Amino acid sequence: AQSVTQLGSHVSVSEGALVLLRCNYSSSVPPYLFWYVQYPNQGLQLLLKYTSAATLVKGINGFEAEFKKSETSFHLTKPSAHMSDAAEYFCAVSENYGGATNKLIFGTGTLLAVQP
Amino acid sequence: DAGVTQSPTHLIKTRGQQVTLRCSPKSGHDTVSWYQQALGQGPQFIFQYYEEEERQRGNFPDRFSGHQFPNYSSELNVNALLLGDSALYLCASSSQGPETQYFGPGTRLLVL
Repeated sequence: AQSVTQLGSHVSVSEGALVLLRCNYSSSVPPYLFWYVQYPNQGLQLLLKYTSAATLVKGINGFEAEFKKSETSFHLTKPSAHMSDAAEYFCAVSENYGGATNKLIFGTGTLLAVQP
Repeated sequence: DAGVTQSPTHLIKTRGQQVTLRCSPKSGHDTVSWYQQALGQGPQFIFQYYEEEERQRGNFPDRFSGHQFPNYSSELNVNALLLGDSALYLCASSSQGPETQYFGPGTRLLVL
């Protein structure tokens, strides 16, 4: 069965500091991996996705993530945090069966706080 | 181009009642998935509709049912509401295939 583990339910960084949000996955087949962001009282917005092409994936708002098969990880990074990055971040996995839209399995989320 | 829309935005019901939530997918999308997000948790997959049929289902009881219409819009119905059904219900749309799912703003349901 697939699963996602997000280490650290709360992460606090200073404005301008590196953001690192951790995600490890478990999947019996090559996975598709996603990072979504959720601002208060809103739905989920896609930041970036990995679909078996380049292992380093660049997303919106300066975020990027690297797929490391040997470590079963897909950590999210941003070189310099901005106050507007404060939100909850969810890592998700779906199985790559190629033919159908598969359900997303989400982690429990990491709440990012950015201190001035 | 309108994104995924959901209605209503908020809803208050009492235990035992029934509720219907609605979702209109993004233009060009034919697949709708529903997720439940309890407070402080990640979204949990309820089910997915494609070609007016339920194609995949998560670990939710039969009290949760749905429908997809010919225009690809969808409804989520929950019968015999329990306090534990209080959550944010998210609809996501996509094209069929390993495509990105785009989420709506959600419907926040409170069961008293």
